[in-house]
Amino acid sequence: ETGVTQTPRHLVMGMTNKKSLKCEQHLGHNAMYWYKQSAKKPLELMFVYSLEERVENNSVPSRFSPECPNSSHLFLHLHTLQPEDSALYLCASSPRDRGYGYTFGSGTRLTVV
Amino acid sequence: DAKTTQPNSMESNEEEPVHLPCNHSTISGTDYIHWYRQLPSQGPEYVIHGLTSNVNNRMASLAIAEDRKSSTLILHRATLRDAAVYYCILRDDNYGQNFVFGPGTRLSVLP
Repeated sequence: ETGVTQTPRHLVMGMTNKKSLKCEQHLGHNAMYWYKQSAKKPLELMFVYSLEERVENNSVPSRFSPECPNSSHLFLHLHTLQPEDSALYLCASSPRDRGYGYTFGSGTRLTVV
Repeated sequence: DAKTTQPNSMESNEEEPVHLPCNHSTISGTDYIHWYRQLPSQGPEYVIHGLTSNVNNRMASLAIAEDRKSSTLILHRATLRDAAVYYCILRDDNYGQNFVFGPGTRLSVLP
């Protein structure tokens, strides 16, 4: 366990479904991130939250909707996804102070059918 | 963002040292060199980072060239559990930039 917990670990959803991915950390970090890792591609940064405020959205389609209700929790709400959205979705957190690295969760393996 | 170049894949024998190279010829003076690795079915994990001097920790050593245009991650005795994708990333830690991951080096460890 890294201190960043993601649930569920695996998710299969139809294109018309609505589901949510959850990320939780109790490391005292105040920045949280969503990354997407598709097969044979590098990690892509999707969203950044700092002190519960979204500070970065890297041109992510609106069918992905993040939510950060407090500094310990981060959600990624999914609706009307496409098969090409199938990927490993990784959450990370950091102290957001200078010089600190990220702690990643183990990810949610999402399959859209 | 300053770019890094790493070999796509490398192989090592178990219990032998492994030297993973990274080229970063456009590195700026305030860029730190970070290494992460990603084991199968897991998220990336921190390995080591440095600015100018060589660094050692319990996982690995980081050797940084004098001109800082390249660096080498050294695993002193590879084990099967070290098989992973290793990422070399530059980041200006003074401004808290986000990490940008490249394709990394896939390390295979042979028994």
